[in-house]
Amino acid sequence: QLQLQESGPGLVKPSETLSLTCAVSGYSVTNRNCFWGWVRQPPGKGLEWLANIHYTGGTYYNPSLKSRLTMSVDTSKNQFSLIVSSVTDSDTAVYYCARRWAHDYHMDVWGTGTTVTVSS
Amino acid sequence: QSALTQPPSASGSPGQSVTISCTGTSSDVGGYSYVSWYQQHPGKAPKVMIYGVNKRPSGVPDRFSGSKSGNTASLTVSGLQAEDEADYYCSSYAGSDDLVFGGGTKLTVL
Repeated sequence: QLQLQESGPGLVKPSETLSLTCAVSGYSVTNRNCFWGWVRQPPGKGLEWLANIHYTGGTYYNPSLKSRLTMSVDTSKNQFSLIVSSVTDSDTAVYYCARRWAHDYHMDVWGTGTTVTVSS
Repeated sequence: QSALTQPPSASGSPGQSVTISCTGTSSDVGGYSYVSWYQQHPGKAPKVMIYGVNKRPSGVPDRFSGSKSGNTASLTVSGLQAEDEADYYCSSYAGSDDLVFGGGTKLTVL
């Protein structure tokens, strides 16, 4: 049974780089029919799609954040990651990782989320 | 890429039906059959309730249904139950592998 588990630093200082990892268990990240992605939710606010990646390397980013986002996949560890550069207060959020089917655009399995606070 | 428009709140009594709208443009909701709806209880991860406009994943009660007309998609919850009280978010494909969410609707079961 597929399970996703996010991990992150918890607290990041403004202007620094945020690194998040999503460990995948019970399923291979190399399944060609899946994309892997990130969604975040600022406190008290709605969901925001950030990025998706296919294990072959194809990556897709939210246009409004594209310059600060980098996704990667580590097939040897069966996990994927997101880097957010030059963070500000507005990057404070719960970050979720999720699976998305290649030929559809819904996310059917989600992690429990990891809270990231940007503060000096 | 602008967020889809949802009403901030909706409500209904147990047993009643409630419909939540999600308005976009011809570049997202109106242009593709890839509208999804997510339910989120406080402190929990979202759960997909509807995908592909009107498809229900296995395990989702048939009280939940989706539809679309033009640039507006809708989620209808029939036979409201207490456990349906949650936040609901719509999402749509917006071309070029972009995804956009709605602002969310808080559903209250009176």
